[in-house]
This record gives sequence, C-alpha cells and structure tokens, in this order.
Amino acid sequence: GQSLEQPSEVTAVEGAIVQINCTYQTSGFYGLSWYQQHDGGAPTFLSYNALDGLEETGRFSSFLSRSDSYGYLLLQELQMKDSASYFCAVVTGFQKLVFGTGTRLLVSP
Amino acid sequence: GEEVAQTPKHLVRGEGQKAKLYCAPIKGHSYVFWYQQVLKNEFKFLISFQNENVFDETGMPKERFSAKCLPNSPCSLEIQATKLEDSAVYFCASSHGGNEQFFGPGTRLTVL
Repeated sequence: GQSLEQPSEVTAVEGAIVQINCTYQTSGFYGLSWYQQHDGGAPTFLSYNALDGLEETGRFSSFLSRSDSYGYLLLQELQMKDSASYFCAVVTGFQKLVFGTGTRLLVSP
Repeated sequence: GEEVAQTPKHLVRGEGQKAKLYCAPIKGHSYVFWYQQVLKNEFKFLISFQNENVFDETGMPKERFSAKCLPNSPCSLEIQATKLEDSAVYFCASSHGGNEQFFGPGTRLTVL
C-alpha cells in the first residue's frame, strides 16, 4: 500500500520557526514535494526534493532522507499568512502525486 | 491562459444523476491530472493525460467515472450515476512535465 503520515495540526507564533514532518511508504519514488493549500483553495507548489539533503527557497526549506523514507518542511520567520494546510506528496511513476494526510498550521500573533 | 481554469465552481446533483466537470490547462502544458479531495483531507489521484492520451488511469473508478482531453477543447471528467460518496472537491492540475503541478481552483460537487 501507499501511505504518507504527517501531524494533523501544528501551532506557532509569528516570527517563530516550525517543522512539519512527513514519513512515507510508497511503491515507486521519484521525489518528495510540498504543497500549500489555503482554506480549501488551489494547492500551490512549494518545493521538490529528489535527492537527500536540504533545499532552501526563501523562508521555506525542505529536507529529504531517502534511506529513512522521511522528509520535512521548515518554515522560518512565520507570518500570519502562512496559516494554511501543508501537504507532502510523493512523486511516483507517470508523475502521479500521492499526497499525505495534510498538516494544518495555525500561526497566532 | 496563465492559470488552470475549472468550471463550474459548484455543482449540485441528486443521487443517480450525471455530473460533468471541465478543466482548461495552462497553455503549453501537455500533462493534465485530476484529483479528488474529500472534506479538505488528503487528495486522491484519479487520472492523468499526456495531451489527448491517457497517461495513468490507476485511480479511476472505471464503472462510473470517465475522462477525456480532446484537442482544442477543455478536458472533462464525467461521473455517471453519482453517489453520495462522490461529494468532494475535484481539482485539475497541469504541468509541462517538470516537478511542479499547477492546480486549478477546483469544482465542488455536492451529491444530495
């Protein structure tokens, strides 16, 4: 089977740093992506890791360890607008995304 | 266009009725994907296309779901004889073959 596990909810304050973990078990793995979704709207792409290590894009960084079937999204200098749901997704064969359960991030003042 | 367009925004159907959803991918993108999201939870992959050809249909409940991407027309996802459990938001995404998929705003289907 295929499964990706994430914490259901994370809370933090503005300016803080938060890490959202993702563990996966899938048949077929090309890489791990992260998507942000505000209030049920269109998911937007944040990052993609195909190889082990850390990828940094502005305030967001994403990490992958293929040997541990584990990745995380790191959000720094949190802002209120970062309150959203975050989904990890494994890219499998034929570019299909297999999504995680989603983590709701609540940022408070 | 520069964004994935989906119509209609909302669709209400009685159980057993047909539902048809449309998606216009970003111009120049040759891949189209359909996903189903129930209650803002995880997304379920349904089907993908490379141009007008089915690329991967491993997620499609084939007995009631069908999809097409014809040249010079929006892609479509059709559900024959809708059931209550089909109530969900259906997202279309497109890509040019790279790592990023660009999602549309979704069509919310409510089956009563």
